[in-house]
Amino acid sequence: EPEVTQTPSHQVTQMGQEVILRCVPISNHLYFYWYRQILGQKVEFLVSFYNNEISEKSEIFDDQFSVERPDGSNFTLKIRSTKLEDSAMYFCASSEADGKPNTEAFFGQGTRLTVV
Amino acid sequence: QQQVKQSPQSLIVQKGGISIINCAYENTAFDYFPWYQQFPGKGPALLIAIRPDVSEKKEGRFTISFNKSAKQFSLHIMDSQPGDSATYFCAASRGYSSASKIIFGSGTRLSIRP
Repeated sequence: EPEVTQTPSHQVTQMGQEVILRCVPISNHLYFYWYRQILGQKVEFLVSFYNNEISEKSEIFDDQFSVERPDGSNFTLKIRSTKLEDSAMYFCASSEADGKPNTEAFFGQGTRLTVV
Repeated sequence: QQQVKQSPQSLIVQKGGISIINCAYENTAFDYFPWYQQFPGKGPALLIAIRPDVSEKKEGRFTISFNKSAKQFSLHIMDSQPGDSATYFCAASRGYSSASKIIFGSGTRLSIRP
């Protein structure tokens, strides 16, 4: 069964460092998303991406964040200068279509980011 | 107005019992209400979903009840099993699918006692 895969599973970084979280969406999917989940809290939308452009972003997704599809398979989330409060589980998701009936977004297993 | 409120935070149910999780929303523009199941170390997985033009949807042991006028919906798990122990999130989105920005509830940690 096709799945969204994320690497690494756990990333530890020092405050102020840049991190790149990587995702390989399901191959025929065209819409990509990042969500995050601070430990013990709800899953929060960060950004959606289609056709090499950001479709929508949340208030959390400030100038420290960027997304990119550097090649035909990867989708990345970059945090330029990490803060302690960026520590969270980051989930990538992908879907065939955005907002069409009966389509579904599939989530990866997540990358746990720990900022120390 | 974008919030989805979920209760309870945690729930313990005996094996074979009924687990009930409740959610409420404010934004009437939401038109798709999925429930996600999340096991430790895994991403959320779509369990069951409903659109506001129906009041109930059943898939196996899982049922969503939807009250459009009250802006509330709930998940019922019948004959709860230990394998159902997980965190459950209600959610809402626009566009009749989860393939759009999803607003999640705060989650319910369900434990099924053998």
